[in-house]
Amino acid sequence: GAVVSQHPSRVICKSGTSVKIECRSLDFQATTMFWYRQFPKQSLMLMATSNEGSKATYEQGVEKDKFLINHASLTLSTLTVTSAHPEDSSFYICSARMGITGNTIYFGEGSWLTVV
Amino acid sequence: AQSVAQPEDQVNVAEGNPLTVKCTYSVSGNPYLFWYVQYPNRGLQFLLKYITGDNLVKGSYGFEAEFNKSQTSFHLKKPSALVSDSALYFCAVRDRNTGFQKLVFGTGTRLLVSP
Repeated sequence: GAVVSQHPSRVICKSGTSVKIECRSLDFQATTMFWYRQFPKQSLMLMATSNEGSKATYEQGVEKDKFLINHASLTLSTLTVTSAHPEDSSFYICSARMGITGNTIYFGEGSWLTVV
Repeated sequence: AQSVAQPEDQVNVAEGNPLTVKCTYSVSGNPYLFWYVQYPNRGLQFLLKYITGDNLVKGSYGFEAEFNKSQTSFHLKKPSALVSDSALYFCAVRDRNTGFQKLVFGTGTRLLVSP
């Protein structure tokens, strides 16, 4: 199946700093990528939808200035958590849809963010 | 609004026995349904999908799911469970209201297969 790569898989940062997580589609072009957040033992919460070359669409309640999303190419989207706080610590997962009309959405391996 | 319900938080089954993980959905129009599996500290892996066609869909690792329109269900099944199948399973539906852009997930069902 299609491969979506996330980097880093684990990151620890200090409170007040910013951290960037990358999501790459390795063997297909992804016009649309999605960023999710997952709390322990809970389902995935969609944070935002990013479309290549345009601004991301954020879900209600997600701070767009805190969670900056960039989708500069058809194979790369980045999530930057700005001015991180301990409550931002979570498991972040990206996913990508193959092409414009692809039916299946493929997920990355996730990134653990710990803010200390 | 599209929604997916997974009524069981956890399913326990002995290795070698058949397993079923339940999912019901609520959508307007025809549903696009998916099952994903998540192993600890990992992302989600695609198992199978129903878009159209045969109601019985076969997927990865010996899993299959049956689409039942009258019962609005899409239960995940496997004839003989393995200990390695123990994981968190998510049912999802593509959100028609956003042009099928988003996936709406159920709350997940933890499958525990005992030796």
